[in-house]
This record gives sequence, C-alpha cells and structure tokens, in this order.
Amino acid sequence: DAGVTQSPTHLIKTRGQQVTLRCSPKSGHDTVSWYQQALGQGPQFIFQYYEEEERQRGNFPDRFSGHQFPNYSSELNVNALLLGDSALYLCASSLVNRGRETQYFGPGTRLLVL
Amino acid sequence: AQSVTQLDSHVSVSEGTPVLLRCNYSSSYSPSLFWYVQHPNKGLQLLLKYTSAATLVKGINGFEAEFKKSETSFHLTKPSAHMSDAAEYFCVVSEGGYNKLIFGAGTRLAVHP
Repeated sequence: DAGVTQSPTHLIKTRGQQVTLRCSPKSGHDTVSWYQQALGQGPQFIFQYYEEEERQRGNFPDRFSGHQFPNYSSELNVNALLLGDSALYLCASSLVNRGRETQYFGPGTRLLVL
Repeated sequence: AQSVTQLDSHVSVSEGTPVLLRCNYSSSYSPSLFWYVQHPNKGLQLLLKYTSAATLVKGINGFEAEFKKSETSFHLTKPSAHMSDAAEYFCVVSEGGYNKLIFGAGTRLAVHP
C-alpha cells in the first residue's frame, strides 16, 4: 500500500517564476492538505482540498493556489515566487471523519527560490 | 484560536535514559492532539494521537503521552532513549471540523552515546 507521494523532491526557481508541486494521497484517502515548513520552523497550514474544492485556507496570499483532481491527487501552485517562499512543502492526506481523522504526510518537496 | 507551545527547543539525553518532551496547548474545546516526528530530510511520521478516549496514549517505538486537561499539557515520554530517536518532534493540535493542524515550533532531540 503506497503512502503519500510528492513530486518533485527538489526544485530550484528564480524570483518571479511560477511553480507547481504534485501530491498523490494514500490509497483510500479523499482529503489533501498542504503545509509550508520554513527552515527551523514547524509546518504552517496552507489549504485543504476535499471533493475537488478548497474547503479551508490558512493565512497565505492568493499567489498560492491549488487543485484537486477526481482521483484525489492534488497540485499546489505558487505564482510570482519570492525568496521567502523557499521552504519544504508537505502534503498530507486523510479520510474525512468529522474532524477526527489522522493526516499522513508525504516526504515533501524542497523549493529553493534564488 | 488554538495554539501549541513546546517548552524546549532542544533536549539532549544519553542513550538509555528517559526522554521528556513538553507541550502545552490552548483550546476552546476538547482537542485532538498529536505528536509527529521528523528525521533529517524526511517527512513527518505520526507517533501517537489523542482524541478524547484514554488520557494515556501509547504510540510507536515505545513513546507515550498523557493528556492532562487541568494542566493543558500533552507531554511526550519514553523510558529509554535510543540513538535512532534523534530527530525533531512536533506537538500538534487539530483545529475545527476540517482538522486543520496547528504545529508547535518543534523540539530537537539529541541522543548521546
């Protein structure tokens, strides 16, 4: 049973560019959440997708957007990259259960913005 | 709003000695609480979770945590540290019906021979 997978593992971009990160959830899961983990900090919630809709969002600007596909996989898009967007981006999947579900994390995508 | 405070940014122990990682939470209602571990250059692995059942929660690799409502604490313990326990540990609270996770700043555990 495959766990949560993310691609690519590493990415280098320059300021102003756009980036797309991808996530495949654990088999049987229907919800995908994205988190940003800056160096030396705990992860920060970006947003969550369920039934192909964004159903909750953290304190991130509109430059951060996402999508969920019918097969439950998800993409995170970041436009107009800033140096401060350099971080580890983590995807987590879960099966909806009235807020009591456990989120399982992928290995992350490390983004470096130069 | 819910929040989590990890009281120690770094903890250093000798192999074979007990581990205590401290966490206090703030929540307006009965929370779900988690401990996750992150090894270098790895993703997050769930150690254990509390969801209003037994207050003493047992997790993987010999870790356990006790939910104390009166103290708003959820400390993580292990009787005997192993070298492989060296990692970053995050205390996490779940907020709202959509299970948004709020992470603490993390505690780096070092284990010395």
